[in-house]
Amino acid sequence: EAQVTQNPRYLITVTGKKLTVTCSQNMNHEYMSWYRQDPGLGLRQIYYSMNVEVTDKGDVPEGYKVSRKEKRNFPLILESPSPNQTSLYFCASSLKAGATNEKLFFGSGTQLSVL
Amino acid sequence: GQNIDQPTEMTATEGAIVQINCTYQTSGFNGLFWYQQHAGEAPTFLSYNVLDGLEEKGRFSSFLSRSKGYSYLLLKELQMKDSASYLCAVTSGTYKYIFGTGTRLKVLA
Repeated sequence: EAQVTQNPRYLITVTGKKLTVTCSQNMNHEYMSWYRQDPGLGLRQIYYSMNVEVTDKGDVPEGYKVSRKEKRNFPLILESPSPNQTSLYFCASSLKAGATNEKLFFGSGTQLSVL
Repeated sequence: GQNIDQPTEMTATEGAIVQINCTYQTSGFNGLFWYQQHAGEAPTFLSYNVLDGLEEKGRFSSFLSRSKGYSYLLLKELQMKDSASYLCAVTSGTYKYIFGTGTRLKVLA
């Protein structure tokens, strides 16, 4: 089944403890991106990747890191999480980078709480 | 600046028609998407418009006017399962998606 898989689904952590949220897609998609969703603010893009080893900042990249060493994987890394990073996170992918009619396929989301 | 406006919440009755509006002001425009998001779930694609006019897909239709920076999503023959948030998004620049805050639709029996 074609899908974007995110893990974990729920995560509770403490301030400063490094964490990684994994994202994997099995559709051979070029484009992958991370979003956070907060009440009243909608989905905001954190980072995106056009292909292997090509990443760039979105609108809210502070406090996050990403890597794209393989086409299928795009992990989101929080080196030192803070409470303001408590949010619902979504990974998404689309077939072609640069084709602006490409719809996004979303993972099931990760609800992160930083205490 | 970049801005997408949608109503926060709407309520409609089962079997009725509802129109969800979206206005946008972005530094560029390459297309407009509508996504549906049920509570606690991921967004899923509904429609895409790049040219002015109406795109119809079953019970759902989407309209775009680029000169007015305006789109709407029309849902006909509402069903209880249509209760969800509807997200308007604009692609602006090659790799950028800009999302509105979403419209929460409640369908009442």
